[in-house]
Amino acid sequence: GQNIDQPTEMTATEGAIVQINCTYQTSGFNGLFWYQQHAGEAPTFLSYNVLDGLEEKGRFSSFLSRSKGYSYLLLKELQMKDSASYLCAVRDESNYQLIWGAGTKLIIKP
Amino acid sequence: DVKVTQSSRYLVKRTGEKVFLECVQDMDHENMFWYRQDPGLGLRLIYFSYDVKMKEKGDIPEGYSVSREKKERFSLILESASTNQTSMYLCASQGRSPYEQYFGPGTRLTVT
Repeated sequence: GQNIDQPTEMTATEGAIVQINCTYQTSGFNGLFWYQQHAGEAPTFLSYNVLDGLEEKGRFSSFLSRSKGYSYLLLKELQMKDSASYLCAVRDESNYQLIWGAGTKLIIKP
Repeated sequence: DVKVTQSSRYLVKRTGEKVFLECVQDMDHENMFWYRQDPGLGLRLIYFSYDVKMKEKGDIPEGYSVSREKKERFSLILESASTNQTSMYLCASQGRSPYEQYFGPGTRLTVT
């Protein structure tokens, strides 16, 4: 079956670093996405990985290991506005559909 | 910037009513999607469309239908609303490579 696992909730301190993990088991793989979703709002695209390794975008980085079915999102210099849910999604072979994890709610404390 | 709009942010309907949710995108994208999002369950795909008049069932199509008469517009229809269809409904439009999805603001539907 298709399965994506993420922790349900994480807490971190303003100014610190946090790593949100995502593991996946899917029948096909054509890339992994990370989205950010603030409460009551729509998800917004953060990053995309299709090859193994680290992609860096400012304070956010995303890592992929296809052999391990594993990705993480790294957030540095945390700010209060980073309090949100972070969704991991895998694109299957069709190029149409994304398979979504349930999301990780990140709480930032001062 | 890609813009995806949805017809309502909040909607309250009675059980048995027919409900129309409309989604419009301005980027000439072929692929569009309807999801519902419930706490702890993540995004679940209801239907998607890969071209005008073309549609495919997602994971939870029961109780829903869709219409895509024009490329920019994708409508979700609840034929006879039920209380278990109370949810946040999100429409998405899919860009070209790397095929990320752009979401509308969502419609929070309450069926009483």
